[in-house]
Amino acid sequence: GIQVEQSPPDLILQEGANSTLRCNFSDSVNNLQWFHQNPWGQLINLFYIPSGTKQNGRLSATTVATERYSLLYISSSQTTDSGVYFCAYSGGSNYKLTFGKGTLLTVNP
Amino acid sequence: EPEVTQTPSHQVTQMGQEVILRCVPISNHLYFYWYRQILGQKVEFLVSFYNNEISEKSEIFDDQFSVERPDGSNFTLKIRSTKLEDSAMYFCASSGLVLTGELFFGEGSRLTVL
Repeated sequence: GIQVEQSPPDLILQEGANSTLRCNFSDSVNNLQWFHQNPWGQLINLFYIPSGTKQNGRLSATTVATERYSLLYISSSQTTDSGVYFCAYSGGSNYKLTFGKGTLLTVNP
Repeated sequence: EPEVTQTPSHQVTQMGQEVILRCVPISNHLYFYWYRQILGQKVEFLVSFYNNEISEKSEIFDDQFSVERPDGSNFTLKIRSTKLEDSAMYFCASSGLVLTGELFFGEGSRLTVL
């Protein structure tokens, strides 16, 4: 099956800093989504981005399908951005989403 | 904006008890999913459901688990006799399209088995 690597596994930022999170894939994907899991465990849909670039406020995401990676940008980070960020993908004949291991982001005031 | 809703947000139960977690998917969606996340671990696929039957299930989804769409709106996950290791966050998701469709996730139901 398709393998995914999320990096970095952990990231600590000061409030106001920018960051880039990355997912690398071993093969082409049909579906690529980014999620934020807040400290209470709730899963928040961020982006559906099998290809191209999308922006939503301080967050944006880019997927370069031909090079098998996706990036999540967080600008001017806030303490409320803390939590785990997951990329999730499906590919080939496998339509269900498979989650990466996540990046644990901590934003300090 | 339409959303997937889950109830309860948190349930505490005794080992051996039956638990039903409820989900209301987005109204025109046709594909439904349950995922599970044990504390500190990855979000794992449990089961997918389409056209009133299970389309795929993982090895985690054993005979203790069942899913049902009892009416036109609800999608439920039943755990027949809970075990300590069933303690986890359970997420429901729905999609309008298979293969390339976006999955919309609920915020989760936390199950604690004592």
